[in-house]
Amino acid sequence: KAGVTQTPRYLIKTRGQQVTLSCSPISGHRSVSWYQQTPGQGLQFLFEYFSETQRNKGNFPGRFSGRQFSNSRSEMNVSTLELGDSALYLCASSRLGAGELFFGEGSRLTVL
Amino acid sequence: GQQLNQSPQSMFIQEGEDVSMNCTSSSIFNTWLWYKQDPGEGPVLLIALYKAGELTSNGRLTAQFGITRKDSFLNISASIPSDVGIYFCAGLNSGGSNYKLTFGKGTLLTVNP
Repeated sequence: KAGVTQTPRYLIKTRGQQVTLSCSPISGHRSVSWYQQTPGQGLQFLFEYFSETQRNKGNFPGRFSGRQFSNSRSEMNVSTLELGDSALYLCASSRLGAGELFFGEGSRLTVL
Repeated sequence: GQQLNQSPQSMFIQEGEDVSMNCTSSSIFNTWLWYKQDPGEGPVLLIALYKAGELTSNGRLTAQFGITRKDSFLNISASIPSDVGIYFCAGLNSGGSNYKLTFGKGTLLTVNP
């Protein structure tokens, strides 16, 4: 079965711009989580959605937001980009959110 | 918040050697997971552990859920070049609607053929 699909794979933005990343989970998976990965901080949890509701949220500023659609696809948005937002953004899906996450290949964002 | 201490940060070994890495936490978890990340890819789940004391194998990989529920280790036997990558441990406390994984900072494994 198809895995988790993230688009775009790579993007370059400038400070102050905003960006939207997309994630299509594995068919049948209703939980989608987002993580930010940087060399210094490792994998940091952003938020988790289940059945279109945000169930959990990490310690990121309000510039980071997300949503989930009725077909379980999810988007995350970062507004007013800062240099420090440069990272690999990973989306992961699971059936119930109970640990066994399946990750996409990520969207690598570079902010200039 | 919860933090996981994963060690070592990096390892450089010869092909055929065994490898051991571990994770410790100041908090207890009721699930431990080990992931591997290849360059340019997302992490892939290797082993999931659900019970304190549990020892689970997946081919040449063996992982254990510590009795105290505050630690876990991963062993790789007879390493091969394709074992190269970053290995992450992750802990989960799934209470109520809280399904947030906490990840260690990773162990970078390099295997010299």
